Amino acid sequence: ETGVTQSPTHLIKTRGQQVTLRCSSQSGHNTVSWYQQALGQGPQFIFQYYREEENGRGNFPPRFSGLQFPNYSSELNVNALELDDSALYLCASSLQGVDSPLHFGNGTRLTVT
Amino acid sequence: AQSVTQLGSHVSVSEGALVLLRCNYSSSVPPYLFWYVQYPNQGLQLLLKYTTGATLVKGINGFEAEFKKSETSFHLTKPSAHMSDAAEYFCAQSQTGGGNKLTFGTGTQLKVEL
Repeated sequence: ETGVTQSPTHLIKTRGQQVTLRCSSQSGHNTVSWYQQALGQGPQFIFQYYREEENGRGNFPPRFSGLQFPNYSSELNVNALELDDSALYLCASSLQGVDSPLHFGNGTRLTVT
Repeated sequence: AQSVTQLGSHVSVSEGALVLLRCNYSSSVPPYLFWYVQYPNQGLQLLLKYTTGATLVKGINGFEAEFKKSETSFHLTKPSAHMSDAAEYFCAQSQTGGGNKLTFGTGTQLKVEL
């Protein structure tokens, strides 16, 4: 089975720019979650998508937005980048359900200068 | 707000020694609890999870964790450390009413020495 893949692996952007990160779900999974992991911190929940609809959001501003496509792949978009947005962005796919484990990709390392 | 506390950002053990990584959760209702491991430049991998039932949970690679409601704890243990266990470990709890949306602790870096 194909695991969760994220692209690109690394990205450097300038403050104020916009960025799109991509994620392909593991086969059979219908739910995608995005997490932000700042250096030395644990992952923080950004939002989750289920059946192409946002299904919960963490404490992140509206300039963080996402999409889920019919094939369950997903995008994370961040507008008006700030220096504090520099982090590892992790995508995780799963089935819907409280005890369905998350399967993480290796992440995209975003650096904002 | 819910929180997960991991005591000790860095833990160092000798190869063959007991591994004990501490985690305390905050939840007014019994949460679902998870331990994940992260190797350098990789995503997180599930070690084990507690949902309901038996409070002692066995996971992969010889790890286990015990859910103690009275102590709001979910500590991770392994009887004998191996060099390959060196990694960062994260404890997480499900958000109340939040399905599989997780709140993570800040992580514990485990170092295994010869």
